[in-house]
Amino acid sequence: AQTVTQSQPEMSVQEAETVTLSCTYDTSENNYYLFWYKQPPSRQMILVIRQEAYKQQNATENRFSVNFQKAAKSFSLKISDSQLGDTAMYFCAFMKPFINNDMRFGAGTRLTVKP
Amino acid sequence: DTGVSQDPRHKITKRGQNVTFRCDPISEHNRLYWYRQTLGQGPEFLTYFQNEAQLEKSRLLSDRFSAERPKGSFSTLEIQRTEQGDSAMYLCASSVAGASTSYEQYFGPGTRLTVT
Repeated sequence: AQTVTQSQPEMSVQEAETVTLSCTYDTSENNYYLFWYKQPPSRQMILVIRQEAYKQQNATENRFSVNFQKAAKSFSLKISDSQLGDTAMYFCAFMKPFINNDMRFGAGTRLTVKP
Repeated sequence: DTGVSQDPRHKITKRGQNVTFRCDPISEHNRLYWYRQTLGQGPEFLTYFQNEAQLEKSRLLSDRFSAERPKGSFSTLEIQRTEQGDSAMYLCASSVAGASTSYEQYFGPGTRLTVT
């Protein structure tokens, strides 16, 4: 079974600085998707960034980028120029498509951006 | 497009009672998912529908849990004979099958269930 591990329960960063959140996963599959979701306090979960396993190029979305290391089964999220609105729980997720489409989530990292 | 909506947002019930939650997906989305999220954890997949067909239900937590999507639009999740361990946030998500981004799921705000 696929498992997703986020080893940093909490992190903090100063506004405008850069922070990296870690995620590792375990799978024997070759084709899968990885995601980072953001869940702000008392608000709904939103997709931050996605990565298809067959793509070697790391995904980027504005201030958010990933470091995808397929052999190491690692998928970290880098947030540049951190903003107060980035304060949230961040979840790493794995999905094996075309089977049952269920996503496996990590336990999350609580990120606090300090002014 | 108003996004995924869920009703109610909060539900307090006594142990042993039945509860039903509703999810309205984004209008053009034909896939709908239910998750449970307990405090301090990531969401846990429960079940999913494509149109009105429930294609995966083996991950429902027990036979007290059931879900329907009778017309392929909104869905309901029912928990019978609630237990205190059922207290959690229940999340709904939707996506579009067949699109290049069909793996992107959009989440609703959730229904927080408290069983006393």
